[in-house]
Amino acid sequence: ETGVTQSPTHLIKTRGQQVTLRCSSQSGHNTVSWYQQALGQGPQFIFQYYREEENGRGNFPPRFSGLQFPNYSSELNVNALELDDSALYLCASSSLSRSDTEAFFGQGTRLTVV
Amino acid sequence: GDSVTQMEGPVTLSEEAFLTINCTYTATGYPSLFWYVQYPGEGLQLLLKATKADDKGSNKGFEATYRKETTSFHLEKGSVQVSDSAVYFCALSGAGANSKLTFGKGITLSVRP
Repeated sequence: ETGVTQSPTHLIKTRGQQVTLRCSSQSGHNTVSWYQQALGQGPQFIFQYYREEENGRGNFPPRFSGLQFPNYSSELNVNALELDDSALYLCASSSLSRSDTEAFFGQGTRLTVV
Repeated sequence: GDSVTQMEGPVTLSEEAFLTINCTYTATGYPSLFWYVQYPGEGLQLLLKATKADDKGSNKGFEATYRKETTSFHLEKGSVQVSDSAVYFCALSGAGANSKLTFGKGITLSVRP
């Protein structure tokens, strides 16, 4: 077990709604990255937060936004949900301050948009 | 941009068979290379990694060698077990402050008793 926890584990939303997903990072880590994993695909990088600032973003529209809090936990917010947003959302915790940048993943949140 | 290509799956093997899963990459600079495993209903777990050319990562009987000349990081295991059934992802991360991971599509391995 990695110590990275995500909530909720499963979620069903209607198209057009908004959703917030949460991630608690591993103790001692200051960086959180979010990934979207569509069915049968590899995870795709959404964005990364380092010390409460966005530190890189993948090819996702602005309706995907995030926050990182002083305790390094993080939220992913998605507005105006679309059917294609249905996926497993993974959070990864790491530390950019250390030479070993291994990322530890949570179990994910399965989002279904209907 | 960076990319990772994995061989097409799925792969079905009998217990104790030899496993090879191919992975090639395209990246600028000198990326770190990883294999992650995903068991049913779970998140990703790091299986092994290599951070520079000719490094060999190993864990739980799995091995992969960072080959810069062929831009490859193939995963091998001499004798697979039923418990190795999972989805395997090859990934890379670039150097510098942004350590995002770029993943391949993954390959499903099923091991028969």
